[in-house]
Amino acid sequence: EDQVTQSPEALRLQEGESSSLNCSYTVSGLRGLFWYRQDPGKGPEFLFTLYSAGEEKEKERLKATLTKKESFLHITAPKPEDSATYLCAVPLYTGTASKLTFGTGTRLQVTL
Amino acid sequence: ETGVTQSPTHLIKTRGQQVTLRCSSQSGHNTVSWYQQALGQGPQFIFQYYREEENGRGNFPPRFSGLQFPNYSSELNVNALELDDSALYLCASSSMTSLYGYTFGSGTRLTVV
Repeated sequence: EDQVTQSPEALRLQEGESSSLNCSYTVSGLRGLFWYRQDPGKGPEFLFTLYSAGEEKEKERLKATLTKKESFLHITAPKPEDSATYLCAVPLYTGTASKLTFGTGTRLQVTL
Repeated sequence: ETGVTQSPTHLIKTRGQQVTLRCSSQSGHNTVSWYQQALGQGPQFIFQYYREEENGRGNFPPRFSGLQFPNYSSELNVNALELDDSALYLCASSSMTSLYGYTFGSGTRLTVV
């Protein structure tokens, strides 16, 4: 069964203090890995899709990378507005059906 | 381009009651999935609808059911509500042709008392 584990559960950073979030997965035949940002009481907001080991994608202060066993979300010089829960998920396709298996997320708080 | 719209945003129900949640999918998306997110957890897959039929289901009992309409909008129905059904219910629309297509709505916060 597909499993997705995220660490740490919570992370508190000062503004400008760079760090990385981890997403490890156990999936047979990975067909992509998604990163989402979720603000309290809101739905997940799409950030990145990664498809193969070695792939990297960037958006503003965020960079996502993928290896054969895990993905990292690097946050460079974060700002308070980056505070949110970051979720990773892997898709499973069965015929015409698809579903996302999510990790439990990393709650990031960035303080001044 | 409109996003995914869910209604209502919040509601409170009594244990044993029934509830219907609604979702309008993003323009161009023909597939709708529903997820349940308990506090502090990641979303859990409930089921998916494609061409008005359920074509995938997670580990949820039959009292969770749904519909998809010709305009690709969808409903999630939950019968015989239990306290553990309290959660954020998320609708996600997607296109079968795109791996980018998982667009989530803002969710419905259901509280069962």
